[in-house]
Amino acid sequence: AQTVTQSQPEMSVQEAETVTLSCTYDTSENNYYLFWYKQPPSRQMILVIRQEAYKQQNATENRFSVNFQKAAKSFSLKISDSQLGDTAMYFCAFPGGNNAGNMLTFGGGTRLMVKP
Amino acid sequence: KAGVTQTPRYLIKTRGQQVTLSCSPISGHRSVSWYQQTPGQGLQFLFEYFSETQRNKGNFPGRFSGRQFSNSRSEMNVSTLELGDSALYLCASSGGQSAYNEQFFGPGTRLTVL
Repeated sequence: AQTVTQSQPEMSVQEAETVTLSCTYDTSENNYYLFWYKQPPSRQMILVIRQEAYKQQNATENRFSVNFQKAAKSFSLKISDSQLGDTAMYFCAFPGGNNAGNMLTFGGGTRLMVKP
Repeated sequence: KAGVTQTPRYLIKTRGQQVTLSCSPISGHRSVSWYQQTPGQGLQFLFEYFSETQRNKGNFPGRFSGRQFSNSRSEMNVSTLELGDSALYLCASSGGQSAYNEQFFGPGTRLTVL
């Protein structure tokens, strides 16, 4: 079974600074995707960024980028130029496998507070 | 396109009662997944429906059930409610058949069991 671990329950960062959220996972699969989802205080979860395991290049989406280390099974999220609107819970997520349909396994989450 | 909608947004029930939650996916999406979110257990997968068929089920007791209609709308039912069922219930819809596709989440239904 896939497991996803986020070791930082809470983090804070000053506005305009950079912060990195950690995620490690365990899987026996070779080709897979990894996701970071954001859940703002309004509660609607949205996809932040997606990484394909077979791509060596780290994914980037504007101020968001990942550091994907496949051998180490590590998938961290870097937020540059942090903004107040980045305050949210962040979840690392892993698909359940080839026969698991749309099931996602989530990490425990990291609560990020961006301070003015 | 309208997003994923969930009704009701808030519910208060008492132990032993049953409850039905509804989820309307994004138009054209045939997959609806349900998750339970609690402070202690985090986000846990309940089940997924695709084209009216349950494709996958998480590790929850039989009191938790669901169904999907021909228009892809989905309902989940919890019978004989327990205090521990208090949670935010999220549904997510997807246009694809595997979790490699982006999933779109609704705002959730906050269930409180007294």
